[in-house]
Amino acid sequence: GEDVEQSLFLSVREGDSSVINCTYTDSSSTYLYWYKQEPGAGLQLLTYIFSNMDMKQDQRLTVLLNKKDKHLSLRIADTQTGDSAIYFCAESTGSNDYKLSFGAGTTVTVRA
Amino acid sequence: KAGVTQTPRYLIKTRGQQVTLSCSPISGHRSVSWYQQTPGQGLQFLFEYFSETQRNKGNFPGRFSGRQFSNSRSEMNVSTLELGDSALYLCASSSSSGTSGTPEQFFGPGTRLTVL
Repeated sequence: GEDVEQSLFLSVREGDSSVINCTYTDSSSTYLYWYKQEPGAGLQLLTYIFSNMDMKQDQRLTVLLNKKDKHLSLRIADTQTGDSAIYFCAESTGSNDYKLSFGAGTTVTVRA
Repeated sequence: KAGVTQTPRYLIKTRGQQVTLSCSPISGHRSVSWYQQTPGQGLQFLFEYFSETQRNKGNFPGRFSGRQFSNSRSEMNVSTLELGDSALYLCASSSSSGTSGTPEQFFGPGTRLTVL
């Protein structure tokens, strides 16, 4: 089956780094994604990583993948108030099939 | 390039009615997927279309149906609405065919459906 789990809440001080964790169970996952959702809005794709990679960096975002432990993390450097949102981890097998399985989302609150 | 657009943005219906939601993907994208988002169940996959064919379907009752047109625009229909169908319905488009293209899926702003 496909289960994706995330912690529900994270509070971080402005300027610090945020780390959001995710675990998944489907060993055939090919792509893993991070999406951001602000209140009243749709999902914004932040980044994705292919399962044969262990790290991907994109400006303030760093994704780490431990395929053995089926653990994915998103690090946001220099967290800003605009980073307050819900962050979703998602997986797909990606082969002729773009069904995404999502975690419940982590609500990140940035405090001054 | 314009993003994924969904119409209408908000909809109020009563139990027993039916509803049709529309999604226009990013120009050039041929894959369109639909998701339901509720506070209790989170984000759940409804179905995915590619070149007018349904490629994958989630675990929803037959009251939920969809289709895709030759211009890649997609519609989803929910018949005999129930209170539990109240949700944010999100559409996503992708350029990938499964054998080529990139795996990014881009979401629209959603249609907020309220069933009274």
